[in-house]
Parts: sequence; structure tokens; C-alpha cells
Amino acid sequence: EADIYQTPRYLVIGTGKKITLECSQTMGHDKMYWYQQDPGMELHLIHYSYGVNSTEKGDLSSESTVSRIRTEHFPLTLESARPSHTSQYLCASSDGRADGYTFGSGTRLTVV
Amino acid sequence: GQQLNQSPQSMFIQEGEDVSMNCTSSSIFNTWLWYKQEPGEGPVLLIALYKAGELTSNGRLTAQFGITRKDSFLNISASIPSDVGIYFCAGSGYALNFGKGTSLLVTP
Repeated sequence: EADIYQTPRYLVIGTGKKITLECSQTMGHDKMYWYQQDPGMELHLIHYSYGVNSTEKGDLSSESTVSRIRTEHFPLTLESARPSHTSQYLCASSDGRADGYTFGSGTRLTVV
Repeated sequence: GQQLNQSPQSMFIQEGEDVSMNCTSSSIFNTWLWYKQEPGEGPVLLIALYKAGELTSNGRLTAQFGITRKDSFLNISASIPSDVGIYFCAGSGYALNFGKGTSLLVTP
């Protein structure tokens, strides 16, 4: 039973469209993260949040933006999708411990 | 973030064989973790290591935290087909830093 939910699981969208990837967790975790992962490759941190109204950019530069208005919700938005944004996007939350991360199942985005 | 070098990149083995993979970093980590990712899913934690020199087992999996705190290895004994997946090492900083992954294929 998943405690962190990502929607949609798959998305195919045209160039120039605005999209929002949803991520919600029911564990009350303050810390949340977005990772970008090309198939079979390493995970790159693109955004993180330490709590409500806190957002930071990660190690990999990304044209996406995030918001954290509620503890349980950490959506990621692309204002104008491009083919270079095609990738898998994984959301995670943490209780603050190194071994306390829970990952969602990801959103596989394809921009055509 | 810090670079983690993980090897081998892929392994293709027969059921029953033992597997070994390792991870090195130019930076020190206070915690090393090993994750497994299956197709269409997020990574799942296998083992966490907290102290330099620590050797920890979880069933057929054994992992060690290197003395220098810059490396770790994971062993899988007597592999089975359901071990198939991508294994990632990770070091803990302000977020998790991941290695490039080891893709494991097991034939019956």
C-alpha cells in the first residue's frame, strides 16, 4: 500500500503545453524531493523542500518549478514542455533520516 | 552533488551465482544506502549502513561501509530470477546522491 502517490503514471503531451505532475504523501513528512531519471540511469535531484513554503533547486538544472503550499502536496510544473523534458520524474518524501525516504512509482513523461 | 562511481554497469549471470557490486566516492558520506529499482517503480531500500567498517546483512544480501567512508559494496548470494533489477548505491547529504546503477539480469 503506497503512502506516496504520483499522478499521472504516464503522460504523452505535445511541445509547448503546460503540465503539472502531482505528488502527495500521507506520512506527514516535512521533506520532499523531485528526482529526474532517464531509463536505466541514475537519479538526479532537481528540486527539494524542507517544509511548507520552502523550495530549493537541486543539483541538476531544470526548467521545471515546484510549490509547497501544503505539507502533503509537492507538485512539479513545466510551463512549456519540450522534447528534452522527456524523462521519468520520481517524487520522494523523508522523515529526516537517511534511511527514511519513500519513493513514488514515478511519472513517465514523453513530449512529442 | 557528489559523484558516486558504481560498478559494474551491468551483470548477466546464471541463477545460483553470487553477485558483487561496489560504489566509490571522492567525498565522505556518513551514511551509505543500497536500493533496488524494478521496472515502472521507484527505488526501494535494501540496506542502510551507518558506521565506517560496518557489515550488515539482509537475507541473501550483505553490504559493507568502507573504512575510509568513501566506498561501499553489496553482495548477493545464490541469486534467483526475482533479483533482476537495477541496484543503486546512495550517499546521504542534504538529499540522497545516487550512483549510476548496476543492471542485474539473472537467467534460470
